[in-house]
Amino acid sequence: ELKVEQNPLFLSMQEGKNYTIYCNYSTTSDRLYWYRQDPGKSLESLFVLLSNGAVKQEGRLMASLDTKARLSTLHITAAVHDLSATYFCAVDVSGTYKYIFGTGTRLKVLA
Amino acid sequence: GAVVSQHPSWVICKSGTSVKIECRSLDFQATTMFWYRQFPKQSLMLMATSNEGSKATYEQGVEKDKFLINHASLTLSTLTVTSAHPEDSSFYICSASGPLDRRTEAFFGQGTRLTVV
Repeated sequence: ELKVEQNPLFLSMQEGKNYTIYCNYSTTSDRLYWYRQDPGKSLESLFVLLSNGAVKQEGRLMASLDTKARLSTLHITAAVHDLSATYFCAVDVSGTYKYIFGTGTRLKVLA
Repeated sequence: GAVVSQHPSWVICKSGTSVKIECRSLDFQATTMFWYRQFPKQSLMLMATSNEGSKATYEQGVEKDKFLINHASLTLSTLTVTSAHPEDSSFYICSASGPLDRRTEAFFGQGTRLTVV
């Protein structure tokens, strides 16, 4: 059974600081996704990572994937208040578009 | 392209009644759709896989007689919560496998918030 764990579960950080969210998964997969969720809303796609060593950046966020270690990271650079949200990683089950989601990381950026 | 729409966005129903949620792929055909449930401050949990023209596949622990899924066309899947109870109150989100030119990810609807009173 595929399990996906994120840490930390909660993250409170000051504006301007850097931090990394980790996503570990238990079985082989080459497709990993990062999403943002604001309160009461659905998911906003952030990154699609499709191969070992994939690295993508958008603004203050950068995501990477190491399929051998079964690890993905979401790095936040110089955080701003607008990044406050819950972030989820999700792993595709054998290329089926069926996703197993991580536990989520609730990020609060303090002004 | 690749827009998935859910309807309604929110619904309140009385305990014991049934409620139907629609998930539509607006600009592409989706042979497979998925239904997730999210309780407050928790992650998304996959409920079932909906395949066009065939029976849905339910995840372990999900009551198929309570959560009826129909995928009658390539653009529409419906989830009916039968005999709803307050513990069924949740945020329901669907996703659809992408169109042929965007087959690297699934696309999510905006979600339906169900409150059972």
